[in-house]
Amino acid sequence: KNQVEQSPQSLIILEGKNCTLQCNYTVSPFSNLRWYKQDTGRGPVSLTIMTFSENTKSNGRYTATLDADTKQSSLHITASQLSDSASYICVVSPNYGGATNKLIFGTGTLLAVQP
Amino acid sequence: SQTIHQWPATLVQPVGSPLSLECTVEGTSNPNLYWYRQAAGRGLQLLFYSVGIGQISSEVPQNLSASRPQDRQFILSSKKLLLSDSGFYLCAWSAGTAPRSEPQHFGDGTRLSIL
Repeated sequence: KNQVEQSPQSLIILEGKNCTLQCNYTVSPFSNLRWYKQDTGRGPVSLTIMTFSENTKSNGRYTATLDADTKQSSLHITASQLSDSASYICVVSPNYGGATNKLIFGTGTLLAVQP
Repeated sequence: SQTIHQWPATLVQPVGSPLSLECTVEGTSNPNLYWYRQAAGRGLQLLFYSVGIGQISSEVPQNLSASRPQDRQFILSSKKLLLSDSGFYLCAWSAGTAPRSEPQHFGDGTRLSIL
């Protein structure tokens, strides 16, 4: 069964600190891996998309890494801000063929940044 | 720029009542459109997707249906709601003719509570 598992389930850090969120997946073969940020009560917003051949992708203070051999990805947040408090969701796009994206979502890591 | 609108933002309905949630996209043509449900503590579940007017694919058997009467309009419906239909419903779009590494863009969701 294709799965995407994230850890930790929740995390509390102090403003200004760095943190790293983990994603392990069993989806194979896959087309790309994505990280989304979802604020409470809002829809997810795309942070990064990496194809299976990419190792890292940055978006401002967010840096995602991908190790396709070990099927692991991480999202590193640098110099956290209060506005980073959200759920971070790891999403894998299986390579089923065809043009339509069918995505497999993790359950997310809930990050709380405290002053 | 492209925008996606979902309404209503929240909805409380009695068991057995009908449902109609609407989603519209602006600023793009021929998008792929998606309906997801997000349950507490679980990853997003794809309910329906559409690659064109009148073309609907259902991912899971359920009490819901979807329609796409216009290119940028996607509607989620039910004739009789069940308690299990409660959840956070998200509409999303992605570029219709782009490679599969295009992001999906989400609306802000509808919080549906069934009493």
